[in-house]
Amino acid sequence: DQQVKQNSPSLSVQEGRISILNCDYTNSMFDYFLWYKKYPAEGPTFLISISSIKDKNEDGRFTVFLNKSAKHLSLHIVPSQPGDSAVYFCAASARGGSQGNLIFGKGTKLSVKP
Amino acid sequence: DTAVSQTPKYLVTQMGNDKSIKCEQNLGHDTMYWYKQDSKKFLKIMFSYNNKELIINETVPNRFSPKSPDKAHLNLHINSLELGDSAVYFCASSPGRGSNTGELFFGEGSRLTVL
Repeated sequence: DQQVKQNSPSLSVQEGRISILNCDYTNSMFDYFLWYKKYPAEGPTFLISISSIKDKNEDGRFTVFLNKSAKHLSLHIVPSQPGDSAVYFCAASARGGSQGNLIFGKGTKLSVKP
Repeated sequence: DTAVSQTPKYLVTQMGNDKSIKCEQNLGHDTMYWYKQDSKKFLKIMFSYNNKELIINETVPNRFSPKSPDKAHLNLHINSLELGDSAVYFCASSPGRGSNTGELFFGEGSRLTVL
C-alpha cells in the first residue's frame, strides 16, 4: 500500500528548461512534505520542504507546490542544469515531521541533457 | 569529514550468517534511524532511536537488532541472514524529536548482498 506515489520513474529535460517532478499521496494525515535528491552511491540529501499550511515554498531554482485537495505536490526546477541529474524522492510525514518517520516514494530519475 | 558515516559500504555474505553494519554521526543529533531500500527502490524506516531510546520499531523481523551505545552511534546487527535481506541500508540522523523540519541527514548507504 503506497502512501506516497511517484508515478514517473524517469524524466528527461533539456538544460535550461523547467523540470517538473510530481508526487501524490493518499494519507490525509500527512502534514509535512519533503524532497530529497540522491546521486548514485550516495545517501539522499535534503532539498526542500513544505508544510501543509502553505501551498508554495521557493528556494532559489527549486519551488515546491502543494495542492492539499488533490493530495498532490510537485517540484519545479528552473532552469534545469546537468548537475541536477539525480533521483528525486518525495517524502511525507504526519505530526509536523518531528518524529522522522518519513514515508518515501519510489523516486523519479531526472536526466538533464546539455 | 563525513557527517553520517556507515561501515562497511559493501557487504557480501552467505545465507545464515550474522553480520553488523555500523553508523556514526558527528552532527550532535539526538535521533538516529535505519532505513532499508529494497529492490523495488522503496526507502522504508526500520528503527529510530532518540538518545539511545528506541522510539520507532516498524514491522521488522526480530533477526534485526539495533544497538545504540551512545547517541552518536546506531549499529544494526542481523542474524541468520536471508536472501530477502539483500538491500541498501541507510543510516540517518536528525536534530531531535522536537525538530520541526523533519529533515534527515543520511549516510552513504551499505549495500548488503546475501548469496
